[in-house]
Amino acid sequence: GQQVMQIPQYQHVQEGEDFTTYCNSSTTLSNIQWYKQRPGGHPVFLIQLVKSGEVKKQKRLTFQFGEAKKNSSLHITATQTTDVGTYFCAGRGNNDMRFGAGTRLTVKP
Amino acid sequence: DAMVIQNPRYQVTQFGKPVTLSCSQTLNHNVMYWYQQKSSQAPKLLFHYYDKDFNNEADTPDNFQSRRPNTSFCFLDIRSPGLGDAAMYLCATSRVSSRGRGTGSNQPQHFGDGTRLSIL
Repeated sequence: GQQVMQIPQYQHVQEGEDFTTYCNSSTTLSNIQWYKQRPGGHPVFLIQLVKSGEVKKQKRLTFQFGEAKKNSSLHITATQTTDVGTYFCAGRGNNDMRFGAGTRLTVKP
Repeated sequence: DAMVIQNPRYQVTQFGKPVTLSCSQTLNHNVMYWYQQKSSQAPKLLFHYYDKDFNNEADTPDNFQSRRPNTSFCFLDIRSPGLGDAAMYLCATSRVSSRGRGTGSNQPQHFGDGTRLSIL
């Protein structure tokens, strides 16, 4: 069945450094969503990518969807302490949406 | 204003004692989901309702049941909780068109704050 792999599992950065998490699917995705979960909180929707090669930006966050629609990335420029949390991708295959394992980001002030 | 509300936030039950978790929504979304999330893991979909249609994931244990008496409410029943069922249970809602039927959709999922279940 469809699998969504996400790396790295953990990332610790110094405040101001950049951060990237990658998501890879075993099958072609119709769309991919990204969520952020703060410690002790619930997943909060960030963005959805649908088109091959799509790039979207939200302030310091840049989201990309691969040309083959099998991979995606989230890049944060100049991290801040407010960026801490776990970032999940969720990819939709034929009919089901599957979450990646998440990347837990910690930021040292 | 909270849009997906889960009660209680924390639930403690005894091994083998049935427990019910509740979820309500003010979004009038047609799809409601239940996820199980264990520490440092991704949310794992247990089942979802598309309107009144119940859709169970293949690997969801029979111990887990769900009810959706109306659009706004959905319940998760654990008939005989085991120690391995201790987790955060997340409810989510989404608006899905008939063409996007299934757990996948082009609409985001809105999550509640979750219920943390402990088993004694």
